[in-house]
Amino acid sequence: GAGVSQSPRYKVAKRGQDVALRCDPISGHVSLFWYQQALGQGPEFLTYFQNEAQLDKSGLPSDRFFAERPEGSVSTLKIQRTQQEDSAVYLCASSFDPGAYEQYFGPGTRLTVT
Amino acid sequence: GDSVTQMEGPVTLSEEAFLTINCTYTATGYPSLFWYVQYPGEGLQLLLKATKADDKGSNKGFEATYRKETTSFHLEKGSVQVSDSAVYFCALSPGTYKYIFGTGTRLKVLA
Repeated sequence: GAGVSQSPRYKVAKRGQDVALRCDPISGHVSLFWYQQALGQGPEFLTYFQNEAQLDKSGLPSDRFFAERPEGSVSTLKIQRTQQEDSAVYLCASSFDPGAYEQYFGPGTRLTVT
Repeated sequence: GDSVTQMEGPVTLSEEAFLTINCTYTATGYPSLFWYVQYPGEGLQLLLKATKADDKGSNKGFEATYRKETTSFHLEKGSVQVSDSAVYFCALSPGTYKYIFGTGTRLKVLA
């Protein structure tokens, strides 16, 4: 079956622009996660959804970052007024089990802010 | 707080050499431990996992043993191939949904 997909794969934004990154999780997966991976670093947790409920957004770095999953499937990570420090790969992951021992990752969206 | 420390890369080996990538962790309680692999242009893939002390995870010739006494989860493979070239991430889950990743170790295998 299809894995986790993300779009776009690459995004270049001018500083100050808003961007929206999409994640299509594996069908039937209850849990969805967003991570930020800076160059040469491991992924860092941003936020977690169980179905449509955002249960944890403690990793979002500022109020410019906003995530939603309105119907409990597709999710969008929005970054307003992008800054250069937002340049990173944004990874989405999903899991069937809310306990989430195994997460399945998408290929990521590489965001470059110029 | 919880954390994962991996050996820095890149690690460069010849084909058929023995591989060890060190991973140690700090955590309260009894986390689950994972190795993920990231091939160029692809997402992270779960390589193996261990959920309790002394468990050995294994997959595709790779293995790692959960050592509580040394808080380690070193990745090993007896004979690497060029196709194993990738970035390897050690991670822990402290019993909730969050993963905490190490910084990754790049492996290059030369023919």
